[in-house]
Amino acid sequence: DGGITQSPKYLFRKEGQNVTLSCEQNLNHDAMYWYRQDPGQGLRLIYYSQIVNDFQKGDIAEGYSVSREKKESFPLTVTSAQKNPTAFYLCASSIPHPLAKVNYGYTFGSGTRLTVV
Amino acid sequence: QQPVQSPQAVILREGEDAVINCSSSKALYSVHWYRQKHGEAPVFLMILLKGGEQKGHEKISASFNEKKQQSSLYLTASQLSYSGTYFCGQLTGANNLFFGTGTRLTVIP
Repeated sequence: DGGITQSPKYLFRKEGQNVTLSCEQNLNHDAMYWYRQDPGQGLRLIYYSQIVNDFQKGDIAEGYSVSREKKESFPLTVTSAQKNPTAFYLCASSIPHPLAKVNYGYTFGSGTRLTVV
Repeated sequence: QQPVQSPQAVILREGEDAVINCSSSKALYSVHWYRQKHGEAPVFLMILLKGGEQKGHEKISASFNEKKQQSSLYLTASQLSYSGTYFCGQLTGANNLFFGTGTRLTVIP
């Protein structure tokens, strides 16, 4: 079955450490996204990529980095510059809507819960 | 700025109806609605492309008023399975989803 796989499910980071969250999709979607969700809050966009080898900053990109070398993969690195990284991270992908110049509904992965220890 | 949803939380008994509103200060190109169960990923419900468009899936429907930059989600005859947090997502000119603040819906027997 097609879908998005995020790993690991839980991740613990020490102060000053960089960590990388994996996101792989086999849906053949061009667009991929990373969102951060804090407890009781909505989703905020970190980075997005509409096509391979291209990505753009979202609303809260500081302290994060991404790469998009393959269509299927969009890993997110949380660097030591991110001072408050404890959150639930969600990866998503989408395709263009068949009838409009917008992207269709997003498919989300099951998320990675990152905690600073 | 995030789209604003109201109410922030609502508790219903099975069979009751609810309306969740979503409004934005930015121009809208389309509106998405998602439901997220606790600790899980959001699940796509529907997309509305044009102002005035209405859609429905079983007993959940939505409308989109482009001029007022608002969308509403209507849940009729609620079921226990409707519990979760509902998010609207508004597409900007950069073709990215800007999610609303969320509405927590709890349906009790």
